[in-house]
Amino acid sequence: DTGVSQDPRHKITKRGQNVTFRCDPISEHNRLYWYRQTLGQGPEFLTYFQNEAQLEKSRLLSDRFSAERPKGSFSTLEIQRTEQGDSAMYLCASSLDQGATEAFFGQGTRLTVV
Amino acid sequence: AQTVTQSQPEMSVQEAETVTLSCTYDTSESDYYLFWYKQPPSRQMILVIRQEAYKQQNATENRFSVNFQKAAKSFSLKISDSQLGDAAMYFCAYRKNTGNQFYFGTGTSLTVIP
Repeated sequence: DTGVSQDPRHKITKRGQNVTFRCDPISEHNRLYWYRQTLGQGPEFLTYFQNEAQLEKSRLLSDRFSAERPKGSFSTLEIQRTEQGDSAMYLCASSLDQGATEAFFGQGTRLTVV
Repeated sequence: AQTVTQSQPEMSVQEAETVTLSCTYDTSESDYYLFWYKQPPSRQMILVIRQEAYKQQNATENRFSVNFQKAAKSFSLKISDSQLGDAAMYFCAYRKNTGNQFYFGTGTSLTVIP
């Protein structure tokens, strides 16, 4: 296992289109996070899964955003009816459990909405 | 609410010299964890060092060390013998022991001058 993998790396879409991103966490990690990062800012929390259960969602996650993690393995983040303000880097991270264990991040998916 | 503040948007250091990056945080929790992440231009964030709040001893990882002042809620990163490969964005992050999300600062862009 080489780490957290995200696909695609880059996505350009027209405003109003739907997009879906995929994240494959480190295989033994039961926790998975989605973050959004805009230029000049630190990552902002979007949502968190423990195994297949989505346990926490940020208020940043509007009803146009939905995330799933079927079977507790890979996760998808879908954005419906994209807006220009959705343009950002979407980061996925995974970790083993609570405590001092750090989160391991993927390289991110850069979304550009034109 | 937990907040993490990095007051230095940019820092520079001469190769082989020492630089300190600042971070303060706000929390009412007593048990938490602090992290420094490095984000090189390739955008994948990598853990540099972590500190458990219950430990009084400052964490050290090779050329990287922290100055953790719990009462002052300060968590600075010292990089000794700076190398060109240290050039990156550095993010300070906080996570409470029972929490699910990491809170990030806005980052410090470090330039290493040959």
